[in-house]
Amino acid sequence: SQQGEEDPQALSIQEGENATMNCSYKTSINNLQWYRQNSGRGLVHLILIRSNEREKHSGRLRVTLDTSKKSSSLLITASRAADTASYFCATSPWGGSGSRLTFGEGTQLTVNP
Amino acid sequence: DSGVTQTPKHLITATGQRVTLRCSPRSGDLSVYWYQQSLDQGLQFLIQYYNGEERAKGNILERFSAQQFPDLHSELNLSSLELGDSALYFCASSGRVDTGELFFGEGSRLTVL
Repeated sequence: SQQGEEDPQALSIQEGENATMNCSYKTSINNLQWYRQNSGRGLVHLILIRSNEREKHSGRLRVTLDTSKKSSSLLITASRAADTASYFCATSPWGGSGSRLTFGEGTQLTVNP
Repeated sequence: DSGVTQTPKHLITATGQRVTLRCSPRSGDLSVYWYQQSLDQGLQFLIQYYNGEERAKGNILERFSAQQFPDLHSELNLSSLELGDSALYFCASSGRVDTGELFFGEGSRLTVL
């Protein structure tokens, strides 16, 4: 079963708008990561936030983490048509062996020009 | 380009057959991970190798096996194939054994007819 659950499953916005995706998880984590996948392609790492961090920025991306609620959000500001893709959160378990990331089911983002 | 190479990109075969998927990790990365992505199961972690040794095992069927060779490339062997094995199989590599960013290949799309 998936550790993370993304919300919403699909999101359609206009170019220039902000897109917010949420992720919930069930167990204690070491870190949480967000990945992007263009249709049928490999996943690309976007950002990693550690369990002792609350917020992180990278370019137009802003990630928050609330370990008390076991949730994270990914905000993409000033979206572009090229941001159209699926976005996945992935959790690294606390005390787990290896880097066996567990992925959520993803949010399909469509940015309309 | 992530630096992770997977072959073949596409593979069509029949039920009951056996196939081998190959992965070359990024130069210098010692960890290799295999993931399966299907429409109904999402992204499932299969197995991880670190410097030639099995490090973590996920939802890998007994019909599937993997290994990592001394030159660090890895192979995923799928045997007695069933229709439900049709999926995208991703290899990812990492420079760390614990938790960190994964670099994904473009995947091998397996179709079992």
